[in-house]
Amino acid sequence: GAVVSQHPSWVICKSGTSVKIECRSLDFQATTMFWYRQFPKQSLMLMATSNEGSKATYEQGVEKDKFLINHASLTLSTLTVTSAHPEDSSFYICSAREELSNQPQHFGDGTRLSIL
Amino acid sequence: AQKITQTQPGMFVQEKEAVTLDCTYDTSDPSYGLFWYKQPSSGEMIFLIYQGSYDQQNATEGRYSLNFQKARKSANLVISASQLGDSAMYFCAMRELPSQGGSEKLVFGKGTKLTVNP
Repeated sequence: GAVVSQHPSWVICKSGTSVKIECRSLDFQATTMFWYRQFPKQSLMLMATSNEGSKATYEQGVEKDKFLINHASLTLSTLTVTSAHPEDSSFYICSAREELSNQPQHFGDGTRLSIL
Repeated sequence: AQKITQTQPGMFVQEKEAVTLDCTYDTSDPSYGLFWYKQPSSGEMIFLIYQGSYDQQNATEGRYSLNFQKARKSANLVISASQLGDSAMYFCAMRELPSQGGSEKLVFGKGTKLTVNP
């Protein structure tokens, strides 16, 4: 089945650092990828929709300048958390799906981000 | 208003027994998709089963089946012959298309934590 790879799986860094997270579709092309954020014991919240070759679409309340998304190819989307602070600590997970209408979104394994 | 409602924060089941996880949804769109995902403590989201709004039969995938009652707007997940490895969070989700165009979105419920007891 479709595989989505996310890297890194765990990041610990100092406040003020920018962190880049990669999301790759390994065996299919994805014109659209999705970035979610999940706080402990809560559900997934969609942050933004990443569109290949165009600007990402951000959900209400998500800071575009804080969470930079780049979708430069049909198999790679990146999320950069700029100047991260402790409140940005969370579990970030991406997804993508094949372009057939009934295919589910397949998720990466997620990235646990801890800002000290 | 919540679009996906999972009313059971936690459920317990004995190994080898069946368990039903509840999910109700709210949409006015005649075309939609419903999904169940499993999230173990390690964090990955594992796709389990899909039900389309026009599907005539309830979806089944191995030990997973979906009890789809369209008039009641419910899509309950049934896990048969529970195993210890089934212990995880389970999320119900609905795929919707924005009314003013744009990409699809998956809207998730709050999840149900299932614990399988030996």
